Amino acid sequence: DAGVTQSPTHLIKTRGQQVTLRCSPKSGHDTVSWYQQALGQGPQFIFQYYEEEERQRGNFPDRFSGHQFPNYSSELNVNALLLGDSALYLCASSLADSSNQPQHFGDGTRLSIL
Amino acid sequence: QKEVEQDPGPLSVPEGAIVSLNCTYSNSAFQYFMWYRQYSRKGPELLMYTYSSGNKEDGRFTAQVDKSSKYISLFIRDSQPSDSATYLCAMSAVGGGADGLTFGKGTHLIIQP
Repeated sequence: DAGVTQSPTHLIKTRGQQVTLRCSPKSGHDTVSWYQQALGQGPQFIFQYYEEEERQRGNFPDRFSGHQFPNYSSELNVNALLLGDSALYLCASSLADSSNQPQHFGDGTRLSIL
Repeated sequence: QKEVEQDPGPLSVPEGAIVSLNCTYSNSAFQYFMWYRQYSRKGPELLMYTYSSGNKEDGRFTAQVDKSSKYISLFIRDSQPSDSATYLCAMSAVGGGADGLTFGKGTHLIIQP
């Protein structure tokens, strides 16, 4: 049973560029959430996608956007990259309408901004 | 004041000791509480998932929730060097995957052989 998979593993970009990160949810899951984890900090919630729509959003600017596809996979896009966007980006999947099922995380994409 | 407070450590204990990890929170709407373990360069791995107040045990791990005090704990018995990792508490108002999780900063735990 494949867990949550994310690509790429590592990415290096320069300020002002744009980046797209990808996530495939755990088999059977239909909801995808994205988190940003800065060094030495806990993950911060960016947004959540369900039925191809953004269902919830944390305190992140509009430079952060996303998409969910019919097969439940998801992308996170970040525009106009800043040095402060350097972090581990985590994807978590879950099953909607199931209070007994927690979120399961992938190993993340490590994004470095030069 | 942050919504979830967690001592970042590091916490260093000898092998075989009982470890106690804690978080406090301020949002009384939180009803679901989780503990995740994160190894270096890996994603968080779910250890415990509990609803409302009470205790839950799974092998060497016990999670406790005291909603009246807004305080949660994770106990690890017979600690092993392989338990060395960062432990993250997380919580949400709605269960399952319907809500973004709010995390603590994580506690870095070191088990000395």
